Amino acid sequence: GAGVSQSPSNKVTEKGKDVELRCDPISGHTALYWYRQSLGQGLEFLIYFQGNSAPDKSGLPSDRFSAERTGGSVSTLTIQRTQQEDSAVYLCASSPLGNDEKLFFGSGTQLSVL
Amino acid sequence: GDSVTQMEGPVTLSEEAFLTINCTYTATGYPSLFWYVQYPGEGLQLLLKATKADDKGSNKGFEATYRKETTSFHLEKGSVQVSDSAVYFCALSEGPGANNLFFGTGTRLTVIP
Repeated sequence: GAGVSQSPSNKVTEKGKDVELRCDPISGHTALYWYRQSLGQGLEFLIYFQGNSAPDKSGLPSDRFSAERTGGSVSTLTIQRTQQEDSAVYLCASSPLGNDEKLFFGSGTQLSVL
Repeated sequence: GDSVTQMEGPVTLSEEAFLTINCTYTATGYPSLFWYVQYPGEGLQLLLKATKADDKGSNKGFEATYRKETTSFHLEKGSVQVSDSAVYFCALSEGPGANNLFFGTGTRLTVIP
């Protein structure tokens, strides 16, 4: 597609439920990033995929968070047993050849945990 | 460790006013510096960048100069428009890998007619 696509754009869930957030990066981009943007906060790094290398999971806040990237393209971020503090905008970004000098961001998924 | 500190918002300006959003950084090496902009309902997009000291990045009337001596990369625009209303993020990168990429907390700008 023309840009990074994220779905759903909005997700409301109940505390304790699992959620899956999807990211379709720009075709051919080898690097994919997940960030979290909480109200009034900056971007919090979550996880980074680069080609076939092992992902950098150092930003995941707890073991309830996980992500995978299938076939080097689409990525899914899964949050298990959601908590109210998980409410945030989850942003996905991709870049070509792992060039961190220019990231292309999706418009995000607004997650609200009631 | 590396970090980016930017001016807290929100900032409210009248149309055609001069804009400055301050950004300072701490880095161990020689980072590249960026400003990203997030318009309402959209994802972040790169506004401008500078890769070495004294470089000036510019785009859409915005400018920022990489000042190594003051470790700063302040964003400026001489005459803002209503359409510039957005959240602006300063960022630095020390190289490949997400652990080398750092964002500021963002500054919300509102321009009123």
